[in-house]
Amino acid sequence: EAGVAQSPRYKIIEKRQSVAFWCNPISGHATLYWYQQILGQGPKLLIQFQNNGVVDDSQLPKDRFSAERLKGVDSTLKIQPAKLEDSAVYLCASSLSGPWGDTQYFGPGTRLTVL
Amino acid sequence: AQSVTQLDSQVPVFEEAPVELRCNYSSSVSVYLFWYVQYPNQGLQLLLKYLSGSTLVKGINGFEAEFNKSQTSFHLRKPSVHISDTAEYFCAVSLSGGSGNTPLVFGKGTRLSVIA
Repeated sequence: EAGVAQSPRYKIIEKRQSVAFWCNPISGHATLYWYQQILGQGPKLLIQFQNNGVVDDSQLPKDRFSAERLKGVDSTLKIQPAKLEDSAVYLCASSLSGPWGDTQYFGPGTRLTVL
Repeated sequence: AQSVTQLDSQVPVFEEAPVELRCNYSSSVSVYLFWYVQYPNQGLQLLLKYLSGSTLVKGINGFEAEFNKSQTSFHLRKPSVHISDTAEYFCAVSLSGGSGNTPLVFGKGTRLSVIA
């Protein structure tokens, strides 16, 4: 079974530029998450989708971050404009929408460096 | 809100020695508990999880963890480590029950370094 795919793997931009990340979850997984992992810390949830609807975006900095999941499959996360503090690894994860406590499967992440 | 504390940021241990990585959590409601491992430049991989039932949970790669409700702990153990166990380990919680899957709240991680 194919895992969660993410691209690009690495991205370097200058502050105030925009950037977009792409995620393709495991086939059949209705729930999709975006996490931000700053160096030396654990991942922190940015947004959770159930199919193509947003379940939780309370920790998403909406003045600069946006995310969508069209057709309930692939998802994109965008930052515009980027700040230095956005340097982090952005992880996408997916899970089934069955019983609670379903395992979340993570992609390899996109490492963003903002100069 | 839930929170997770991993008491050790770094744990060095000699090969074939036992290891325990400590995790404590705080929550006013019932939670599920998870341990994930992250190898360099890779995503997180599930080692084991506790949802209910037996408090001793066995996972992949010879790891196990014990849920202790009174001490709000979920420590990870392995009786004999290998060089290949060198990685970052994350403890996480999510709410149990409710209307669907809830996101994970992670600790800051413990870097396990196995020394030959």
